[in-house]
Amino acid sequence: GENVEQHPSTLSVQEGDSAVIKCTYSDSASNYFPWYKQELGKRPQLIIDIRSNVGEKKDQRIAVTLNKTAKHFSLHITETQPEDSAVYFCAAMNTGFQKLVFGTGTRLLVSP
Amino acid sequence: KAGVTQTPRYLIKTRGQQVTLSCSPISGHRSVSWYQQTPGQGLQFLFEYFSETQRNKGNFPGRFSGRQFSNSRSEMNVSTLELGDSALYLCASSPPLSTDTQYFGPGTRLTVL
Repeated sequence: GENVEQHPSTLSVQEGDSAVIKCTYSDSASNYFPWYKQELGKRPQLIIDIRSNVGEKKDQRIAVTLNKTAKHFSLHITETQPEDSAVYFCAAMNTGFQKLVFGTGTRLLVSP
Repeated sequence: KAGVTQTPRYLIKTRGQQVTLSCSPISGHRSVSWYQQTPGQGLQFLFEYFSETQRNKGNFPGRFSGRQFSNSRSEMNVSTLELGDSALYLCASSPPLSTDTQYFGPGTRLTVL
């Protein structure tokens, strides 16, 4: 079955710096890759997603890139702010099965 | 639109008991998925329902079951609770035109003593 690896497990940056979180997946049939942000005690919130027919997607300070050949995708956050501090999860789905397989999460800490 | 809602938000049970959790999807969403979140195992898929039919199931024992009603609301049941079932149980719903996109509810925090 699908396996998703996520790195790093923790990431500390200064406010205004960029942050990059990387994920790799094992199932070449996976074709949907969302990213979720989960603040302490809150629900996972979908922040951006990408489908396998697209190589890059951007939404303001957040961007996601996908390399299907290498089977990895990354989340890029620019101009980080303290409110970006949270745990970020990547996930992969083969839309034939409607099942998200999650990475282990990255705890991002943005210091003022 | 109101988001995904889950009840109850917190639950304390003892080993051997059973529990039923409820999930109301976003209006118009017909697909509901359930996940278990624990510090050790992370987020793991339990099952997915669409139009009252279970379409996919994760690798959990048969003590974990679910169902979906005609109004798309879903319930999951855990029988013969074990200490290891303590977790945050999240449900997510998907819109009809983008069934891969999943929006999560706040979760039910289950503690088994």
